[in-house]
Amino acid sequence: QVQLQESGPGLVKPSETLSLTCTVSGDAIRRYYWNWVRQPPGKGLEWIGYCHHSGNPYYNPSLSSRVTLSVDTSKNQFSLNLNSVTAADTAVYFCAKWNSDWNAFDNWGQGTLVTVSS
Amino acid sequence: EIVLTQSPGTLSLSPGERATLSCRASQSVSSSFLVWYQQKPGQAPRLLIYGASNRATGIPDRFSGSGSGADFTLTISRLEPEDFAVYYCQHYGSSPLIFGGGTKVEIK
Repeated sequence: QVQLQESGPGLVKPSETLSLTCTVSGDAIRRYYWNWVRQPPGKGLEWIGYCHHSGNPYYNPSLSSRVTLSVDTSKNQFSLNLNSVTAADTAVYFCAKWNSDWNAFDNWGQGTLVTVSS
Repeated sequence: EIVLTQSPGTLSLSPGERATLSCRASQSVSSSFLVWYQQKPGQAPRLLIYGASNRATGIPDRFSGSGSGADFTLTISRLEPEDFAVYYCQHYGSSPLIFGGGTKVEIK
């Protein structure tokens, strides 16, 4: 079972960049597609995008102008950068592993709350 | 873009009862890409069903999924206390990966 752990600031100012990292256990970083999903307080789930150690990332079109995902295999990590944030970006951010055989997220991080506020 | 509509929004049932949750797509989708998750407060979602009807590893057999085309169903045959949670369907096909709005199963 792959373990995932999100890390990053819990508070970001409006118009600034939200940056989060997900650390992956073991040597799994090269083997899977890695995703970010977010959930505003009391609301549903929104997929942000995926990245892979080789190949281009793919983003939800609703966020593609502001988001960048990347993988750092040397650190067993993948990262999310979301720029020009507003209060609407306040959410719990989850990292998740994609199971390509099942077309589903089969491992999730615990999630981290990021609040956008001055 | 495909939209997934889950109903009902809230289902109030007692332990031991049967729960039937619906996920309807705005157009026909491949059942290979239809997934169900369970989420409890303060936790990440947990994969229950993939490919519309296949239970993920460790999922009790009281959970079952069915459906095809645009209509899919998650059934919990007999609700256990730990089953009261929010359930989401998800699809990833040609359009961006999307989730339904969720169904909350609460204790009556």
